[in-house]
Amino acid sequence: DQQVKQNSPSLSVQEGRISILNCDYTNSMFDYFLWYKKYPAEGPTFLISISSIKDKNEDGRFTVFLNKSAKHLSLHIVPSQPGDSAVYFCAASAEGYGQNFVFGPGTRLSVLP
Amino acid sequence: KAGVTQTPRYLIKTRGQQVTLSCSPISGHRSVSWYQQTPGQGLQFLFEYFSETQRNKGNFPGRFSGRQFSNSRSEMNVSTLELGDSALYLCASSPGGGSYNEQFFGPGTRLTVL
Repeated sequence: DQQVKQNSPSLSVQEGRISILNCDYTNSMFDYFLWYKKYPAEGPTFLISISSIKDKNEDGRFTVFLNKSAKHLSLHIVPSQPGDSAVYFCAASAEGYGQNFVFGPGTRLSVLP
Repeated sequence: KAGVTQTPRYLIKTRGQQVTLSCSPISGHRSVSWYQQTPGQGLQFLFEYFSETQRNKGNFPGRFSGRQFSNSRSEMNVSTLELGDSALYLCASSPGGGSYNEQFFGPGTRLTVL
């Protein structure tokens, strides 16, 4: 049973437009969420995080929104650039989990020039 | 600062053999976590070591084991390899003091079991 779901395996967006990547979770104990980006032949790279005391966190072109009642978070990339083409993973953790982050299966984003 | 390094980068083994993978964390980081990545499954948490002690463990069989040395370097061992163990094994390090620390990943070791 997947505790963290990313229901879109892939997403294509035109350069300059907004990319929205979605993530749903089932464990109500999760209170800290992260997004990672992964290029082929490299390890995942941390992008942005959000804790459950917030509903939004911004970092440059990246914004993460958290809807705790719906157990849903989304990553917005504005404007999208070709270099953003990668696999994006959503991850969640809870107090007491330590560094045991539960990852979603990933969404492959393609930004078309 | 040097990043997380993993050796070897690629490995081919046959069923029944055992394998040892190595991870050197970022200098000063005391927590090392291991993940298995297979197509469509995302990253599955194997275990985390902090100050030479296993602090967390995922749902993997006992064939998967690990250890951490006093210099924080970590090794992961898989015994009696099965075809399904073919995957990318990722190591991540973090300072490790609190509950939520950003993890820095290495490039991974691609294991193929024939």
